[in-house]
Amino acid sequence: DVKVTQSSRYLVKRTGEKVFLECVQDMDHENMFWYRQDPGLGLRLIYFSYDVKMKEKGDIPEGYSVSREKKERFSLILESASTNQTSMYLCASRTYEGAGGETQYFGPGTRLLVL
Amino acid sequence: GNSVTQMEGPVTLSEEAFLTINCTYTATGYPSLFWYVQYPGEGLQLLLKATKADDKGSNKGFEATYRKETTSFHLEKGSVQVSDSAVYFCALKVEGEKLTFGTGTRLTIIP
Repeated sequence: DVKVTQSSRYLVKRTGEKVFLECVQDMDHENMFWYRQDPGLGLRLIYFSYDVKMKEKGDIPEGYSVSREKKERFSLILESASTNQTSMYLCASRTYEGAGGETQYFGPGTRLLVL
Repeated sequence: GNSVTQMEGPVTLSEEAFLTINCTYTATGYPSLFWYVQYPGEGLQLLLKATKADDKGSNKGFEATYRKETTSFHLEKGSVQVSDSAVYFCALKVEGEKLTFGTGTRLTIIP
């Protein structure tokens, strides 16, 4: 079974702190993603990575950065946490199933509260 | 651009009731369509998918048919169980573009 793990299930941080969210996948997937999930907004893509040391901005990258130094690990960084970054953060990795589609495998999520 | 519109929740049903969650889409190209499910306290997992018109995806008693003429991919189940309580996301993927999700529908099944 594919497994995607996230370093924390719950985090409480203060405004202005630097926050690191870690994601690890064990299936040798090239592609990894970070989303945030908010009620009524669904999932919004923050950043993604096609391969080691590669990154692309998603729909809402402002206030975030990422790091992909190893294939299995994709980190999301909040440079200076703000209260509007309180959310559920989901990591995913993917196997590309040809032109017909794709399946993304998700971690359990990190619920972040910024005070 | 691409977008997915799904039935607003929350939806509450009694056990063994028939379920329909509506999903319609707009896409710039020819999309593949997906339903993902998020059980309480967990991440999303793929429930079913369809890659071309008139295909039917099915899994765990759930079904959805890719209807190109109505740009729809409605999720159905004939007899729901308490264990089906979850949030359901419809999504689409055009080749070369990102996966686009709907806003999710929370389903609660009452015994």
